[in-house]
Amino acid sequence: EDQVTQSPEALRLQEGESSSLNCSYTVSGLRGLFWYRQDPGKGPEFLFTLYSAGEEKEKERLKATLTKKESFLHITAPKPEDSATYLCAVQGGADGLTFGKGTHLIIQP
Amino acid sequence: GAGVSQSPRYKVAKRGQDVALRCDPISGHVSLFWYQQALGQGPEFLTYFQNEAQLDKSGLPSDRFFAERPEGSVSTLKIQRTQQEDSAVYLCASSYGFSEQFFGPGTRLTVL
Repeated sequence: EDQVTQSPEALRLQEGESSSLNCSYTVSGLRGLFWYRQDPGKGPEFLFTLYSAGEEKEKERLKATLTKKESFLHITAPKPEDSATYLCAVQGGADGLTFGKGTHLIIQP
Repeated sequence: GAGVSQSPRYKVAKRGQDVALRCDPISGHVSLFWYQQALGQGPEFLTYFQNEAQLDKSGLPSDRFFAERPEGSVSTLKIQRTQQEDSAVYLCASSYGFSEQFFGPGTRLTVL
């Protein structure tokens, strides 16, 4: 059974204070690891797909990395508008995604 | 916009009522997924369609849950005899094949 654990559950940062979110996973045959952002009352918004260990992807202040056991979402010099819940998900043998519980990120001005 | 749309956005049902939730996927997306998201949790997989074929329904919590996609585009998730534990946000996602899934805004179901 595929499993995803995200940490920390919640994180409060000052504007400009860089940090990283962790996603640990176990999966039989990784087909993809996905990062999503979810704002209150909205559906998850796609950010990145990573397929193999060593892969990295960047978008504005966000960078996602992947190893064989975990993925990190690095946030550099965050702004208040980066506040959201960040979800990690894996696609293994099944067609649907297996999600973690998310990290609730708050960036204070 | 050409994103995934869902209706209604909010639904309040009395325990025991039947409800139907609609999903309009992105045009051309052959894969369609339904997820259930409880408060403070990540989405949980319910079922998957490839065109009109329901290929995986392993996540449906009981036989009160039924999904269909008769013409390979719009999908409906039906919940019969709703219970309080069915209260959640129901998310629909679509993708082209096995690429990234794009989510709709969800339907928030409250069962009283």
